[in-house]
Amino acid sequence: GIQVEQSPPDLILQEGANSTLRCNFSDSVNNLQWFHQNPWGQLINLFYIPSGTKQNGRLSATTVATERYSLLYISSSQTTDSGVYFCAASRNSGNTPLVFGKGTRLSVIA
Amino acid sequence: ETGVTQSPTHLIKTRGQQVTLRCSSQSGHNTVSWYQQALGQGPQFIFQYYREEENGRGNFPPRFSGLQFPNYSSELNVNALELDDSALYLCASSSRLERETQYFGPGTRLLVL
Repeated sequence: GIQVEQSPPDLILQEGANSTLRCNFSDSVNNLQWFHQNPWGQLINLFYIPSGTKQNGRLSATTVATERYSLLYISSSQTTDSGVYFCAASRNSGNTPLVFGKGTRLSVIA
Repeated sequence: ETGVTQSPTHLIKTRGQQVTLRCSSQSGHNTVSWYQQALGQGPQFIFQYYREEENGRGNFPPRFSGLQFPNYSSELNVNALELDDSALYLCASSSRLERETQYFGPGTRLLVL
């Protein structure tokens, strides 16, 4: 099955700094999603991005499907950005089971 | 808010007991997937239900079972609980008509003593 690897595993930032999180996947995918898990465990959808680039406020994501990686950019980080960021993928689109990476734990310090 | 609800929020059980977790899917969604998230790990797929039938299963033993009801809500049952079953259990709802994404509930934290 698909393997999903995320880096770095941990990241500490000063408030206002920018960061890039990376997700590598082992096979071609039709579904690639980024999630933010808050301290209470809620998984919040950030992007559905099997290819191309999307932006939502201070967050943006790029997936290069041919090279099997995706990047999540966080600009001007805030303390509320803290939490764990997960990348998840599946071969098929829509509601097929997602394979998650182990996540990147981000701590933003004021 | 995703519109997906789960109950209970927390649960403590002892080894050997049985547990039932519940999930109400987002309005208009007919598919529910369950995931187990151990501490420090990413969620792992348990199984999925579509129109009341199991529609895919991950690498979990048969003591993990489920149900989906006509209103598309779902239950996850775990028999003969083991210490390693302690985890956050997440349910996700989705629609086969929607290409994009699964929407996750807030989860149930299960502790097995």
